[in-house]
Amino acid sequence: GQNIDQPTEMTATEGAIVQINCTYQTSGFNGLFWYQQHAGEAPTFLSYNVLDGLEEKGRFSSFLSRSKGYSYLLLKELQMKDSASYLCAVIEAGTALIFGKGTTLSVSS
Amino acid sequence: GAVVSQHPSRVICKSGTSVKIECRSLDFQATTMFWYRQFPKQSLMLMATSNEGSKATYEQGVEKDKFLINHASLTLSTLTVTSAHPEDSSFYICSARTGGDSQPQHFGDGTRLSIL
Repeated sequence: GQNIDQPTEMTATEGAIVQINCTYQTSGFNGLFWYQQHAGEAPTFLSYNVLDGLEEKGRFSSFLSRSKGYSYLLLKELQMKDSASYLCAVIEAGTALIFGKGTTLSVSS
Repeated sequence: GAVVSQHPSRVICKSGTSVKIECRSLDFQATTMFWYRQFPKQSLMLMATSNEGSKATYEQGVEKDKFLINHASLTLSTLTVTSAHPEDSSFYICSARTGGDSQPQHFGDGTRLSIL
């Protein structure tokens, strides 16, 4: 089975940088995804990591360490619209995404 | 690109009614579609995985006779909640993927189902 842990809630201010951590345990790791979900809406894809290292995409970056079973999502220059839930999801070979419980990020001015 | 359309967006109906939810990939062919359920302030829980032309694979604890899934083409999957009861009230979300595990799943906008 899989076990995915991430903090339940985080708060930050506009313009700041925030790092959302995710640890996972899985028997057949084949990639890790980050999704953003605003309340009442469907998740939208942010990033995918399968090799160790940092993937940068605009204000968002995602890091993966396979040996440590660890990933983080880094959000820079925070904006109010970044207030949302951020979902860490892991995929094993030939299966569907399994989601963590999500981290609710609140950005204040 | 990679747009997934889900319909209807909201359903309110009486207990005992059957409800059909459609999930369409509009601009790509989805080799695999997934159905998730999400209760308030909880994560998405995978219900089933379906591949075009074959029977869906249900997750443990999901009743296949209650949640009927049909994946008739590479662009359409349907979920029918049969004889729905209040405990079936939830947010149902489909996703679609083309290709293998490294491809992201693209989500529909979800269907909020309320059973009275």
